[in-house]
Amino acid sequence: GQQLNQSPQSMFIQEGEDVSMNCTSSSIFNTWLWYKQDPGEGPVLLIALYKAGELTSNGRLTAQFGITRKDSFLNISASIPSDVGIYFCAGQWGGSNYKLTFGKGTLLTVNP
Amino acid sequence: KAGVTQTPRYLIKTRGQQVTLSCSPISGHRSVSWYQQTPGQGLQFLFEYFSETQRNKGNFPGRFSGRQFSNSRSEMNVSTLELGDSALYLCASSKFEMNTEAFFGQGTRLTVV
Repeated sequence: GQQLNQSPQSMFIQEGEDVSMNCTSSSIFNTWLWYKQDPGEGPVLLIALYKAGELTSNGRLTAQFGITRKDSFLNISASIPSDVGIYFCAGQWGGSNYKLTFGKGTLLTVNP
Repeated sequence: KAGVTQTPRYLIKTRGQQVTLSCSPISGHRSVSWYQQTPGQGLQFLFEYFSETQRNKGNFPGRFSGRQFSNSRSEMNVSTLELGDSALYLCASSKFEMNTEAFFGQGTRLTVV
């Protein structure tokens, strides 16, 4: 079945630094999504990408849909303490199979 | 507007028992999906309901079942609980069938002892 490899597993950075994380897939996706999950909460959708090559920003967050449709990355610029959390990528094939396949997550810690 | 509400938030059950979890979607949302989240396996798709019909199903045994009511509220049932069923169960709602603009609830933390 489809698998997503998300890296890195964890990151420990200083406030103000930029962060980059990525996901690669063994197969093609038609949609890539990035979520953030805070402790005790459900995931919150940050950015949705629907087209190969698409580059989308949401404030300090920028994500890209790889042109091969097998990868995506998320950048966070000028990190702040509230960026702490687990970031998940998710892919959706579409067609008759709408289920989301999630990466294992990247735990981000920001040192003030 | 109110978000996705999952009840109960926490649950402790014994092996062999069965459990029912509830999810109330955002008003106007007709699709409800369920996910299991564990440290080892991450977030895994269980099933999706839309207009009271199961539209998609993940790779879980038949002990995991669900249903959706006419008001779009959904329930998930796990029978003959195993220790490995301990997890955070998340529900997500969206306006349309398996729409990616899905909103997650806070989840139900199930512990099987």
